[in-house]
Amino acid sequence: AQSVAQPEDQVNVAEGNPLTVKCTYSVSGNPYLFWYVQYPNRGLQFLLKYITGDNLVKGSYGFEAEFNKSQTSFHLKKPSALVSDSALYFCAVRDNYGQNFVFGPGTRLSVLP
Amino acid sequence: NAGVTQTPKFQVLKTGQSMTLQCAQDMNHEYMSWYRQDPGMGLRLIHYSVGAGITDQGEVPNGYNVSRSTTEDFPLRLLSAAPSQTSVYFCASSPGVGPYNEQFFGPGTRLTVL
Repeated sequence: AQSVAQPEDQVNVAEGNPLTVKCTYSVSGNPYLFWYVQYPNRGLQFLLKYITGDNLVKGSYGFEAEFNKSQTSFHLKKPSALVSDSALYFCAVRDNYGQNFVFGPGTRLSVLP
Repeated sequence: NAGVTQTPKFQVLKTGQSMTLQCAQDMNHEYMSWYRQDPGMGLRLIHYSVGAGITDQGEVPNGYNVSRSTTEDFPLRLLSAAPSQTSVYFCASSPGVGPYNEQFFGPGTRLTVL
């Protein structure tokens, strides 16, 4: 069975500093990994995905994520945080045997001015 | 191109009432799904569909029904509302059933059951 863990409920970072939001996963086949962002009272927006190939994936709004197969991780990163990045971030996984997404519990990112 | 639309945005029900949450997409996506979002629990899959006429249960299907008579529409029915169904409900669609396709989400319906 697939599963996703986001070990931090909350991440606080100062504006201009780099940010990392952590995600680890468990799947039985090849992993397909996704990051979504949710702003208050809104639906989820797709940020980026890993399918295959380069371990560093670039996505929307300057975000990137690093896939590490040996550590089964897919951490979300941004070199310089903005106050407007404050939101709830979800990691999700699909494997090539299943049709459905499994989401992590979410990490709330607060970027402080 | 409106993407994924959901109605209503807000709803208050009394215990035992029934209602239908509407979801539509105009992207000709094969895959559609319903999730509920509860604090600290992420999104949990209720039901999903891989095409018109085909539906299946997700992780938390009890108390909910779905149908998929057209590619565009995927309504979620609450048969007899219970306070445990108080939640935010999201509909999502995806271009296909391949695992590499991301999902597109609607704006959500906030449901309160008294």
